[in-house]
Amino acid sequence: KNQVEQSPQSLIILEGKNCTLQCNYTVSPFSNLRWYKQDTGRGPVSLTIMTFSENTKSNGRYTATLDADTKQSSLHITASQLSDSASYICVVSAVSFNAGNNRKLIWGLGTSLAVNP
Amino acid sequence: NAGVTQTPKFRILKIGQSMTLQCTQDMNHNYMYWYRQDPGMGLKLIYYSVGAGITDKGEVPNGYNVSRSTTEDFPLRLELAAPSQTSVYFCASSHPPGGRDEQYFGPGTRLTVT
Repeated sequence: KNQVEQSPQSLIILEGKNCTLQCNYTVSPFSNLRWYKQDTGRGPVSLTIMTFSENTKSNGRYTATLDADTKQSSLHITASQLSDSASYICVVSAVSFNAGNNRKLIWGLGTSLAVNP
Repeated sequence: NAGVTQTPKFRILKIGQSMTLQCTQDMNHNYMYWYRQDPGMGLKLIYYSVGAGITDKGEVPNGYNVSRSTTEDFPLRLELAAPSQTSVYFCASSHPPGGRDEQYFGPGTRLTVT
């Protein structure tokens, strides 16, 4: 069964500190892995997308890693800011053979991050 | 570009009522999607469309209908609202799948059925 599991479920850190969020997946066949940031009451916003051949991708203070062998990904946030308080969602795209939609997205439940002053 | 816009932002329905959630995108994306997000749960795909005139069911289509008469618009219809449809609904759009098919999301519609 295709699954995406994230840890921790929630995290509280102080402003300026670094943190790492984890994502483990059992999705086959794998197409790509995405990290989204979702602010409270808003739609998800894409942070990174990584294909099978990419093992790291940065977007400002966000750095995602991918180990396709162990089926693990992490999202590292450097020098956290109050505006980083949000839910971070790992999404894995599986190749699907339904006509017209050859990708299926499996969404994790997210890690809720709170950055305190 | 406004991106993906959704209306209304909030709505309260009585059981059995009907309504249409509107979604418009101005990025000329062929693919559009409707998701629902329940508290503490991941997003679930309701319906998707690969282009004007073409729609298909996602994981949780029961109780919903869609149409796609133009590239820009993808409305979601609830015919007989039920309390189980209380949720936050997100519309998204993207280029066709293929490596970097990033989805762009609207701000969401928060629906309560009582």
